[in-house]
Amino acid sequence: EIVLTQSPGTLSLSPGERATLSCRASQTISSSYLAWYQQRPGQAPRLLIYGASSRATGIPDRFSGSGSGTDFTLTISRLEPEDFALYHCQQYGNPPPTFGQGTKVEIK
Amino acid sequence: QVQLVQSGAEVKKPGASVKVSCKASGYTFTRYYIHWVRQAPGQGLEWMGIINPSGGSTTDAQKFQGRVTFTRDTSTSTVYMELRSLRSEDTAVYYCAREGGSSSWYPYWGQGTLVTVSS
Repeated sequence: EIVLTQSPGTLSLSPGERATLSCRASQTISSSYLAWYQQRPGQAPRLLIYGASSRATGIPDRFSGSGSGTDFTLTISRLEPEDFALYHCQQYGNPPPTFGQGTKVEIK
Repeated sequence: QVQLVQSGAEVKKPGASVKVSCKASGYTFTRYYIHWVRQAPGQGLEWMGIINPSGGSTTDAQKFQGRVTFTRDTSTSTVYMELRSLRSEDTAVYYCAREGGSSSWYPYWGQGTLVTVSS
């Protein structure tokens, strides 16, 4: 199965700053079938990005996804207070679906 | 609107079984696969398996083979996940999640069910 490695483990930033989160796969993810989720404490994950770069319904345009092959990036252009949360990447191109271990974005 | 509503928290002893339900509404139940994902305390997300609500076929992750069963009841638009021979490492929040289309990304999630395994 494909192993996803997210970096950094924790990102300490201030509101208004730019956040860049990385997700690296152990092998090529077919058709860029890579998704990103946001998870706030005590809540279920929320889909942000699918197909590596398509924003889900209702997701603000400060969230963007990019990448292909084995290297993918989630960028939050300007952090809002509600963006401080845990972020997961997931691949669904090669069964079984797998997730990264998560990146926590915390307030500096 | 699409909703997935799960059953409440459970406390079980090691060796017991647990059955978690996930009731779907707001769409045609048989059109979309439902997956089960769990999250141990302080850990990442772990895929457990999938059920096709239309025919009832299932696939589970190799890690759980022999211990987990997924079923569905089309009359109530509900899917179930039963995990047997529970151990302390199974303490986690269990989520059901519906596919967005024909691929396994998840725009819709249940609220989660905490299963605690403790003697």
